[in-house]
Amino acid sequence: GQQVMQIPQYQHVQEGEDFTTYCNSSTTLSNIQWYKQRPGGHPVFLIQLVKSGEVKKQKRLTFQFGEAKKNSSLHITATQTTDVGTYFCAGPEAGANNLFFGTGTRLTVIP
Amino acid sequence: SQTIHQWPATLVQPVGSPLSLECTVEGTSNPNLYWYRQAAGRGLQLLFYSVGIGQISSEVPQNLSASRPQDRQFILSSKKLLLSDSGFYLCAWSEGLKETQYFGPGTRLLVL
Repeated sequence: GQQVMQIPQYQHVQEGEDFTTYCNSSTTLSNIQWYKQRPGGHPVFLIQLVKSGEVKKQKRLTFQFGEAKKNSSLHITATQTTDVGTYFCAGPEAGANNLFFGTGTRLTVIP
Repeated sequence: SQTIHQWPATLVQPVGSPLSLECTVEGTSNPNLYWYRQAAGRGLQLLFYSVGIGQISSEVPQNLSASRPQDRQFILSSKKLLLSDSGFYLCAWSEGLKETQYFGPGTRLLVL
């Protein structure tokens, strides 16, 4: 079955440092979605990428979908304390009918 | 616009007691509905999903069951809670099974 792994599982950074989380699927994905869950909150959709090699930006966040559509990354430039939370990737296996969530990366930003 | 509601927000229940968590969605028709459980500091475990009234798919064998009595209502139940049922229960909806999921605020369940 499909597996979606994220690394690292945890990351502590000083405020102002950059942060990257990587998402790797065992199978080709038809799209990749990213969600953010603040501490004590629920996951909130951030963005979706569909095309091979696609790159999208949201202010300090840069999302990339791999050429083979099996991996993705989220990069945050100059982290702020508001970036704290757990970031999940999610994607449906090509031809499958369900969305599989990654294992998540918990980001802590030290002021 | 669409909104999703869950209640209660928190619940403390003794072992062996029954459970009923409710989720309702407004502003959309025939949504796909999901129940997830999240242990503290962990990822999302899909428990059940439903593509329509009375249609329930179970992802993992467990002590829980789900029902969808109405188009925009999804209920998670148990006849006898176990300690291991403690966690953060999240309901979500989507328009398609592979599309963006929108989560409710969740219910924190503590079984003692």
